[in-house]
This record gives sequence, structure tokens and C-alpha cells, in this order.
Amino acid sequence: DTAVSQTPKYLVTQMGNDKSIKCEQNLGHDTMYWYKQDSKKFLKIMFSYNNKELIINETVPNRFSPKSPDKAHLNLHINSLELGDSAVYFCASSPLGSTGELFFGEGSRLTVL
Amino acid sequence: QKEVEQDPGPLSVPEGAIVSLNCTYSNSAFQYFMWYRQYSRKGPELLMYTYSSGNKEDGRFTAQVDKSSKYISLFIRDSQPSDSATYLCAMSPGGSASKIIFGSGTRLSIRP
Repeated sequence: DTAVSQTPKYLVTQMGNDKSIKCEQNLGHDTMYWYKQDSKKFLKIMFSYNNKELIINETVPNRFSPKSPDKAHLNLHINSLELGDSAVYFCASSPLGSTGELFFGEGSRLTVL
Repeated sequence: QKEVEQDPGPLSVPEGAIVSLNCTYSNSAFQYFMWYRQYSRKGPELLMYTYSSGNKEDGRFTAQVDKSSKYISLFIRDSQPSDSATYLCAMSPGGSASKIIFGSGTRLSIRP
């Protein structure tokens, strides 16, 4: 059983479109995250969410919005896609009180044409 | 200056060699230090986790932290082709995993 799973693995879309990426974790963790990894492998946090508190990285455009239907799911919705949004998006989760242990999904590779 | 600096490589060594991967950082508040391994087209996975200064060993892997120099290292002994991956250092001041800052990763290739 995959611990953190995200779909789709690949998205190719046109500028201006809206897209969503879904994430589910079966680890019973309290906190979930979205990370963006650019072409140089630089991994940067976008959001963290623990069903009570959403922490947004202030550099993330408001075209990006996380949506959490329940503790095990955190989806990422992106409006009005731009070329610069092309990247690999990783969902991750961590247990309560974690200071460093993150469990990542396999990534969703987004290409905006 | 980035908070965490890591040589991107690529680094190519023969099988059986000792590999040394390094990161420097500027934020003296960092207390927790990690190494993540990322295989091609996969998500990062936690490899080593240390708190404050010192060494930690796990099998063929040794993590070393020198807070006075703001320098961390990962050593891989008897390297194997299966160790070929990108290695990301990461560090955090604590309090929450959302405060983790990642290095940009070093791409390592072990030649059979």
C-alpha cells in the first residue's frame, strides 16, 4: 500500500487553464504539505495544513489554493496556469510534532505549454 | 546568500569508493539536520536525521554535523550502484516540519 499517493503523475496543459492535483495519505499523519521542485531540484514548501491551521508560504501566488476535504487528503488547485508553474509538485505528510521526518509522494510533473 | 548551500554535482565515483556529500548553512538557529535521498522520478525519502552537533551512523551511512562551522556531511562507505540518486540536505530550527529548508541536492552516480 502506497503511503502517500498523488494523482495524476503527469499533467500537460495550456497556459490559462485550471488544474487540480489530488493527494491522499494512509499513514494517519496530522499534517500534510505541498512542495514545488523546480528544474534545478530546488524543493520549496508551498503550504502546510493540519486540519486546523493552514500555513501559506507568502511567496506562493494566490492562484494556488489547497483544499482538504478531510485529514487524509490535501488537494492542490491551480488557476490560470502560467509557464513558470511548470515543475514537479510533491505532496508530503508528517506525524504530529515532527521536526524533520517528511513522507513524500512520487510527485506530479506539470508542464504548461 | 541562500540559507542552505549544496554543490549540485554531478558527482561520479567507482563502486566501492567512499563518498562525501556536504552542505553549508547560514542560519545558526538550525538544530535538526537531515539527508534525503531522491531517486529519479521519485519523491525524496528520509535517509538520516540528526539533532545538533555530532555523528550518527546507520549501516554504510554516516551523518556528521559541525554547528560551529555551519557544515554538515554525509559519508557513504562501500558505495553501490543502487546509491546513485540525488541527495538533498535539509535542516530546521525545530518547532514544525514546515520550517524545513532543503538544499538543492547533489546528483551522485556510482559506476559499476
